[in-house]
Amino acid sequence: DTEVTQTPKHLVMGMTNKKSLKCEQHMGHRAMYWYKQKAKKPPELMFVYSYEKLSINESVPSRFSPECPNSSLLNLHLHALQPEDSALYLCASSQDESRFQPQHFGDGTRLSIL
Amino acid sequence: KNEVEQSPQNLTAQEGEFITINCSYSVGISALHWLQQHPGGGIVSLFMLSSGKKKHGRLIATINIQEKHSSLHITASHPRDSAVYICAVTFGNEKLTFGTGTRLTIIP
Repeated sequence: DTEVTQTPKHLVMGMTNKKSLKCEQHMGHRAMYWYKQKAKKPPELMFVYSYEKLSINESVPSRFSPECPNSSLLNLHLHALQPEDSALYLCASSQDESRFQPQHFGDGTRLSIL
Repeated sequence: KNEVEQSPQNLTAQEGEFITINCSYSVGISALHWLQQHPGGGIVSLFMLSSGKKKHGRLIATINIQEKHSSLHITASHPRDSAVYICAVTFGNEKLTFGTGTRLTIIP
């Protein structure tokens, strides 16, 4: 079991659907991250939230919309996705955005776009 | 360009063997992380180090700042150690830069 919980574990959706990925941590961490990982590739950073404010957006298409309702929750809203968006989406958290803090990862949501 | 290289890309060994995975980086770093990713996808942070050596159970991580090189060692390897091991570094104040990973398979 990880301390960062992601739901759902698997998601299959059509290109016209709207869905959300959820991430939750109760370690008191104030930085939270979304990563996208394609098969046999390293994770790619998408977004960073620091103290519930968007800190980094790595030029992610607007069909991905992050939201941080409070310090424990991080959502990723999905709309009009493309087949190439099929991937493992990983959430992570750390004490803060300091480069000396380790990141704690969730088990990921495996997303398939039909 | 800030780069991280890992070797080998794939490693198959017999149970009980001593395992070494290497990581090299191009310029000075703030911190280096070793991560473990199992087939299911979840990532576990094994070590974070900026100098010297750290040990946790059968795992040992070392870093040589001058040579810009780190190694992850596994003693008395076991099939449950089979996973992808990822080296990730922080260059200055930048985000984590990940290596391409080493796929380790331990055969009983």
